Amino acid sequence: EIVLTQSPGILSLSPGERATLSCRASQSIIRNYLAWYQQKRGQAPRLLIYGASNRATGIPDRFSGSGSGTDFTLTISRLEPEDFGVYYCQQYGSSVMYTFGQGTNLEIK
Amino acid sequence: QVQLQESGPGLVKPSETLSLTCTVSGGSMRGYYWNWFRQPPGKGLEWIGWIGYVHNGGKNNFNPSLKSRVTIPEDTSENQFDLRLSSVTPADSAVYYCARAPTDYEGSFGWFDLWGHGILVTVSS
Repeated sequence: EIVLTQSPGILSLSPGERATLSCRASQSIIRNYLAWYQQKRGQAPRLLIYGASNRATGIPDRFSGSGSGTDFTLTISRLEPEDFGVYYCQQYGSSVMYTFGQGTNLEIK
Repeated sequence: QVQLQESGPGLVKPSETLSLTCTVSGGSMRGYYWNWFRQPPGKGLEWIGWIGYVHNGGKNNFNPSLKSRVTIPEDTSENQFDLRLSSVTPADSAVYYCARAPTDYEGSFGWFDLWGHGILVTVSS
């Protein structure tokens, strides 16, 4: 099982600031099969990024993903009020089992 | 516009079977993999399994930790898929989500672009 560790656990920032979220895998993820999701309280997850760097349909270009192997990053270039919530990374490099990180809580400072 | 909606009982007794349905409206199930997830209140996401309608018939894959208790049967209605989780305990209490996994030009899949709103299931006597 590939374990994903996200950091920081909590990130406190103000609107307009840049957010950098990290996801580290316990082993290399083949073909950079990593996705990022945003989840707000009481809502389902929303796909942001797949294939480490491909934005999903309708996702603003302030969201970008990067990385390869075991280290991946989600960057939000300039935070909007609606961007606050919990962010999860998820790997699909192992066809046996998909796993998620424990989440980063992006909160308003 | 394709939408997903989970339905089923919100309360299940210990040792019984949890049964949920995901209804897909506004589009076809063909060409996608259809998944179930769960999320205990205040905790992270866990993938349960999928049924795929990319080739003829439905094929399955399950989380190894749940495999002995999970079935996602092929539904002949063509716009629904189910989840059955047997021998439940209070540890199975969670919000259950269904979600769609598309494929890319190479047939790869595993990211989830469309989700239902979720349904809270509590296991209690």
